[in-house]
Amino acid sequence: GDSVTQMEGPVTLSEEAFLTINCTYTATGYPSLFWYVQYPGEGLQLLLKATKADDKGSNKGFEATYRKETTSFHLEKGSVQVSDSAVYFCALSDKGGSEKLVFGKGTKLTVNP
Amino acid sequence: KAGVTQTPRYLIKTRGQQVTLSCSPISGHRSVSWYQQTPGQGLQFLFEYFSETQRNKGNFPGRFSGRQFSNSRSEMNVSTLELGDSALYLCASSLEGANVLTFGAGSRLTVL
Repeated sequence: GDSVTQMEGPVTLSEEAFLTINCTYTATGYPSLFWYVQYPGEGLQLLLKATKADDKGSNKGFEATYRKETTSFHLEKGSVQVSDSAVYFCALSDKGGSEKLVFGKGTKLTVNP
Repeated sequence: KAGVTQTPRYLIKTRGQQVTLSCSPISGHRSVSWYQQTPGQGLQFLFEYFSETQRNKGNFPGRFSGRQFSNSRSEMNVSTLELGDSALYLCASSLEGANVLTFGAGSRLTVL
């Protein structure tokens, strides 16, 4: 079945450091790919998405590019802030008429001032 | 525009009891999904409803059930609770075909 593998962390960075969280996927078709973020005590929020190969999703300084050849969707940000501290989830949807998401295990990011 | 509302936010039950969780989707959203989040298993899909019909179901025992009403509100029920059912239960709604889920804050269930 479909699956998502992401680096589990935790990841600790200093403010203004560069962030990369790796995500790779296994899927039979051509899924849509997502990054969701979860702040303490809250539900998940969509951060960005890409629906086809070579698409780049971006939001709030975060970016991820859908790479079909490496089945990857790595999350990057050039300069992290303390407010970016959260858990980040990579996910896929197989677009087969269902809204079901398959999630990675999540990566906890802590940014220190 | 109101978000996805889940009630109750916190609850404590004992083994063997049952629990019902409620989810009110964003107005106009007819698709509702449920996920279980635990430290060990992460986020796991429970089920998805669209127009009162279960469209998809995850790999959970029959003790987990759900339903959707004509106003798109959804409930999930867990019977004969086990300690391992302690989790954050997340509900999400979406517009049909939009492929973007909006999540509620979750219902945190503790089973003692």
